[in-house]
Amino acid sequence: AQTVTQSQPEMSVQEAETVTLSCTYDTSESDYYLFWYKQPPSRQMILVIRQEAYKQQNATENRFSVNFQKAAKSFSLKISDSQLGDAAMYFCAYRYRTGGKLIFGQGTELSVKP
Amino acid sequence: DAGVIQSPRHEVTEMGQEVTLRCKPISGHDYLFWYRQTMMRGLELLIYFNNNVPIDDSGMPEDRFSAKMPNASFSTLKIQPSEPRDSAVYFCASSFGYRTGGETQYFGPGTRLLVL
Repeated sequence: AQTVTQSQPEMSVQEAETVTLSCTYDTSESDYYLFWYKQPPSRQMILVIRQEAYKQQNATENRFSVNFQKAAKSFSLKISDSQLGDAAMYFCAYRYRTGGKLIFGQGTELSVKP
Repeated sequence: DAGVIQSPRHEVTEMGQEVTLRCKPISGHDYLFWYRQTMMRGLELLIYFNNNVPIDDSGMPEDRFSAKMPNASFSTLKIQPSEPRDSAVYFCASSFGYRTGGETQYFGPGTRLLVL
């Protein structure tokens, strides 16, 4: 069975600094997607970034980028120039390409200090 | 475009009562998912539909839970009778099929359920 692990329950970063959130996963599949979702206090689940497993190039969305290491089954999220609005719970998630459900990690709560 | 719409946003009920949660997916999406979020278990899939047909309901906790999708624009999740341990945030999400670039699921705002 596929599993997703986020080993950092809480992280803190100074405004304008860079922070990296870790995620590892376990799967026997070769074709899948990985995601980072953000959940602010409003509880809305917001897609931050996604990565296709077949792509070697790391995905980037403005200040957000990932370090995807397929062999190591690692998928970390880097947030550059952190802003107060980045404070939220961040979830790493896995989805087999033709499968339906997302499998989520336990989440990392990020706080941003002014 | 409107996102996924869920109602109600908050529900407080007493143990034993019937609870119905509603969801309207994004127009054109042919997959619909129901997730539950709790402190103890995190985010977990309850059930999902493809073209209104339930595909995987293995996450439905027990017979007290049921879900329907009578048409492409509406789904319900019903709990009868409700119990305090059902208190959670329930999310509905939708996506296109994987053959049409549907790798991303878009979530509704959630329904926060409290069973007293």
